[in-house]
Amino acid sequence: DTEVTQTPKHLVMGMTNKKSLKCEQHMGHRAMYWYKQKAKKPPELMFVYSYEKLSINESVPSRFSPECPNSSLLNLHLHALQPEDSALYLCASSQKEGTSYEQYFGPGTRLTVT
Amino acid sequence: AQRVTQPEKLLSVFKGAPVELKCNYSYSGSPELFWYVQYSRQRLQLLLRHISRESIKGFTADLNKGETSFHLKKPFAQEEDSAMYYCALLSGAGSYQLTFGKGTKLSVIP
Repeated sequence: DTEVTQTPKHLVMGMTNKKSLKCEQHMGHRAMYWYKQKAKKPPELMFVYSYEKLSINESVPSRFSPECPNSSLLNLHLHALQPEDSALYLCASSQKEGTSYEQYFGPGTRLTVT
Repeated sequence: AQRVTQPEKLLSVFKGAPVELKCNYSYSGSPELFWYVQYSRQRLQLLLRHISRESIKGFTADLNKGETSFHLKKPFAQEEDSAMYYCALLSGAGSYQLTFGKGTKLSVIP
């Protein structure tokens, strides 16, 4: 399996809802990432997990809460979001050893906050 | 601080014409550079990485350290090349920080 998968594909939520985004990879990658991508803009890094530990949090508001239950799974818990949080949320993974560190991206979850 | 600059937001070429998507970077160390492509309604995909010096879908990119550039080239554009192209920089082996340029939308006119 050489893909990063994400569920759901689309999500519409109200500002008081709690929802979660899920990401899975079975490439043995030990680094996993969450990005936010607005329309016609490049992805912006939100969080990085390395060996299931949070390595980087790019000053993301606490209404976004990441979780890495094991080396293949990455979740993003959402609570009390704002309309401006509507975007495509991308998950990515990469190796941590060896010679190639390129990141492989999932198809994204398109989130709409109403 | 590292920076990636893609000067063209939009590039339109005719089918069969040569394509060059420009990318310049700013980084003091030894970067790893990549080109990612995002076709309409598809995931962001790795197209090329400078360390492998390969040609994918007819595209090539050469790292020029003197000019701090990593331009993407293809001798004959095809309609299916129409997509958003992002140049990205990884600040050294083992780094997590992938810095993207703002992207260039390539439109190939039939």
